[in-house]
Amino acid sequence: DTAVSQTPKYLVTQMGNDKSIKCEQNLGHDTMYWYKQDSKKFLKIMFSYNNKELIINETVPNRFSPKSPDKAHLNLHINSLELGDSAVYFCASSQVTGRYEQYFGPGTRLTVT
Amino acid sequence: QQQVKQSPQSLIVQKGGIPIINCAYENTAFDYFPWYQQFPGKGPALLIAIRPDVSEKKEGRFTISFNKSAKQFSLHIMDSQPGDSATYFCAASMGRSGNTPLVFGKGTRLSVIA
Repeated sequence: DTAVSQTPKYLVTQMGNDKSIKCEQNLGHDTMYWYKQDSKKFLKIMFSYNNKELIINETVPNRFSPKSPDKAHLNLHINSLELGDSAVYFCASSQVTGRYEQYFGPGTRLTVT
Repeated sequence: QQQVKQSPQSLIVQKGGIPIINCAYENTAFDYFPWYQQFPGKGPALLIAIRPDVSEKKEGRFTISFNKSAKQFSLHIMDSQPGDSATYFCAASMGRSGNTPLVFGKGTRLSVIA
C-alpha cells in the first residue's frame, strides 16, 4: 500500500489555466506538507498543515491555495498558472510527536506551456 | 539565505569506494538532521537521521557523522554500489515536535561506477 500518494503524476497545461494536485496519506499522520522542487532539484517548503489547519505558509504567491478536507488529505490548487510554476511538487506527511520522519509522495511534474 | 549548505554538488566514485557528502548549517535551533535519497522520477526517501546529542549514527552501509561545535554533518556510504547512484539531500529542522518543515541542502548527485 502506498503511504503518500499524489495525483496526477504528470500535469501539462497552458498559462492562465487553473489546476489542482491531490495528496493522500494513509499513515495516520497529523501534519502534511507541500514542497516544490525546481529545475535545479532544490527542494523548498511551500505549506504545512496540522490537523487541517494551516501552520506554515512560506512566501508563495497567493495563486497557490492549499486545502485540507481532512487529516489524510492535502490538495494544492493553483490559479492563473505561469511558466515559472513549472516544477515537481511533492506532498509529505509526518507525526507531530514521537518519530519525526517525513514521508514523501512520488511527486507531480507540472509543466506550464 | 541558504540555511543548509551542501557539498559537493556532484560526486563520482568507483564501486566499493566511500563517497562523503558534507553539510553545514547556520541555525543552532536545528535539532534534527536527516538525509534523503532521491532516484530520478521518485520522491525523496529517508535514509538516515541524527540528533545533535550523538556524534555518529550507523545504519547498514550509511553513516552520519555530526560535529555540533562546527555545525557540520556528513554522510558516508561504505562499500558503495552502482545502485547507490542517486541524488542525496541533507536537511535540518527545529523544534521539539514533528510538524516543522525540513530545510534542505541543494543536493549531491552521486554516481557509482563499476
